Amino acid sequence: AQSVTQLGSHVSVSEGALVLLRCNYSSSVPPYLFWYVQYPNQGLQLLLKYTSAATLVKGINGFEAEFKKSETSFHLTKPSAHMSDAAEYFCAVSEGFGNEKLTFGTGTRLTIIP
Amino acid sequence: EAGVTQFPSHSVIEKGQTVTLRCDPISGHDNLYWYRRVMGKEIKFLLHFVKESKQDESGMPNNRFLAERTGGTYSTLKVQPAELEDSGVYFCASSQEPLRGSQETQYFGPGTRLLVL
Repeated sequence: AQSVTQLGSHVSVSEGALVLLRCNYSSSVPPYLFWYVQYPNQGLQLLLKYTSAATLVKGINGFEAEFKKSETSFHLTKPSAHMSDAAEYFCAVSEGFGNEKLTFGTGTRLTIIP
Repeated sequence: EAGVTQFPSHSVIEKGQTVTLRCDPISGHDNLYWYRRVMGKEIKFLLHFVKESKQDESGMPNNRFLAERTGGTYSTLKVQPAELEDSGVYFCASSQEPLRGSQETQYFGPGTRLLVL
């Protein structure tokens, strides 16, 4: 079985500061990993995904995440927070081909302080 | 290209009533998924269609939930009779058929917010 742990249900950062959202996973097979974002009153939007190619994955809106197998982590970062980054972020894992269902973490709500 | 659409956006019903949620996937996407988020908890998988066939329904909570995808296009999720614990946000997602050894992106709809009173 797969699982995802997102440390910190709420994270606040100042505008212009580093954003770091933590995600640790558990998987018995090489995982596919995803970060999704949900802006208020909208659906889930894919930020980035890891599919066993490069371990450093760049996504939209300046976000990136690094796959670290030894730490079973896939933390999301952005060098400089913008007010428009305020949203809820979800980390997810899947086994890939043949079992593509996503297992999500509980989500992290990011607040940007002006 | 139109994204995944869901109807209704909100539904408020009383315990014991029936509600039907609809999802229209992106055109050409054979894979359709239903997920649910209950009261701020994690988003949980309900089931997966490949075209009109149920590939995996391991996440369906009980037999009060019935999902269909007639003709392999849109899908409906019926809850009958609804209970208080069914309240939450129901998401639909769709994706293309993956190649062996890969995983296609799942595109999500805006969700249906269901409140059972």
